[in-house]
Amino acid sequence: QLQLQESGPGLVKPSETLSLTCTVSGGSISSSSYYWGWIRQPPGKGLEWIGSIYYSGSTYYNPSLKSRVTISVDTSKNQFSLKLSSVTAADTAVYYCAREQFPNWFDPWGQGTLVTVSS
Amino acid sequence: QSVLTQPPSVSAAPGQKVTISCSGSSSNIGNNYVSWYQQLPGTAPKLLIYENNKRPSGIPDRFSGSKSGTSATLGITGLQTGDEADYYCGTWDSSLNWVFGGGTKLTVL
Repeated sequence: QLQLQESGPGLVKPSETLSLTCTVSGGSISSSSYYWGWIRQPPGKGLEWIGSIYYSGSTYYNPSLKSRVTISVDTSKNQFSLKLSSVTAADTAVYYCAREQFPNWFDPWGQGTLVTVSS
Repeated sequence: QSVLTQPPSVSAAPGQKVTISCSGSSSNIGNNYVSWYQQLPGTAPKLLIYENNKRPSGIPDRFSGSKSGTSATLGITGLQTGDEADYYCGTWDSSLNWVFGGGTKLTVL
């Protein structure tokens, strides 16, 4: 059974870079059928897609976040990572990683990790 | 403001049926598959419906999806208290962006 688990700091200072890692277990991140995505959810609000990556390293990002986002993959560790630079309080959210069948669906999702941007 | 429009809330009694709408445009729903996600309180979203009307393994047939033009609908029959959750629709948009609805809170009275 495929499982995804997010990890990283729960508190980031304004103007710094948010860094999270998603570890995939129960399956290979190098599957040719899927992308791997990041989605976030501000407290009490809806879902916002951040970006996705293929095991080869090919990426695509939300145009509204593209200038601040970098997603990378480490197939040897079965992990993919998110970096979001120059964060502000508006970036406070629960961050989820998920397997993506482009452009059809996300499943499964990780449990999510809350990242708070505050000094 | 979300690209896809959902009603903020719906409610119905146990055993009844409810529908949740998701309205978009030709740049998203009109030309792409719609998926639906259930988010129980305090948990991650879970895929409920994909490719407009297909159910993943393990999802009961009480849940159904449909699409017509630039709108999609999620239907839930035989409502149970355990169905109380937020429901989100999602699809790909021609602006090269995944888009989601603002979410609908289902209350089972």
